[in-house]
Amino acid sequence: SQQGEEDPQALSIQEGENATMNCSYKTSINNLQWYRQNSGRGLVHLILIRSNEREKHSGRLRVTLDTSKKSSSLLITASRAADTASYFCATDGPYSEKLVFGKGTKLTVNP
Amino acid sequence: GAVVSQHPSWVICKSGTSVKIECRSLDFQATTMFWYRQFPKQSLMLMATSNEGSKATYEQGVEKDKFLINHASLTLSTLTVTSAHPEDSSFYICSAQGGQGLNNYGYTFGSGTRLTVV
Repeated sequence: SQQGEEDPQALSIQEGENATMNCSYKTSINNLQWYRQNSGRGLVHLILIRSNEREKHSGRLRVTLDTSKKSSSLLITASRAADTASYFCATDGPYSEKLVFGKGTKLTVNP
Repeated sequence: GAVVSQHPSWVICKSGTSVKIECRSLDFQATTMFWYRQFPKQSLMLMATSNEGSKATYEQGVEKDKFLINHASLTLSTLTVTSAHPEDSSFYICSAQGGQGLNNYGYTFGSGTRLTVV
């Protein structure tokens, strides 16, 4: 079963703009992670945020977590054409080691 | 860092035949491995969880007799798609738990296997 729901399902922006993707989940979590996947390729881990953290930064990435709303957001600043990919959130819960993925957001950055 | 090697990266097989996909943890012992399936333009769906030396735990709706999982050692798990049919064509990805991985939490993903059944 899938835990997360990302929105939007698809996002198209111009190079240099910021991209924001959201993820909502249903049950309690230990950690939430964001991954990137280029078309037909494997997953690239971007960032992990723990349930007791509210915000985390990594380069041009900023992730927030609101456990009261069961939601997270991924912000990519100053986007580049190379950021074009699908982005997924994934959660693991206090009662299960399974990593469950959301439906993903397909980001297109136009040069 | 931890590496998970998955192969083959792609395979084409005839309908009715079986295909084996291997997932190896190269420099760590993977106590638990996960198998995912991804249809085009969709997300990763967890198929099963395997623990070394015990039977795999399958997610609801996944046929255990069709998708045979063997986790005979701490570094190798295999997924065999038996009597494959065109609807089994998909992207299969394994994930191993037990190493540090890039996320410092222990989930390391293989590069995936594109299965096409003709």
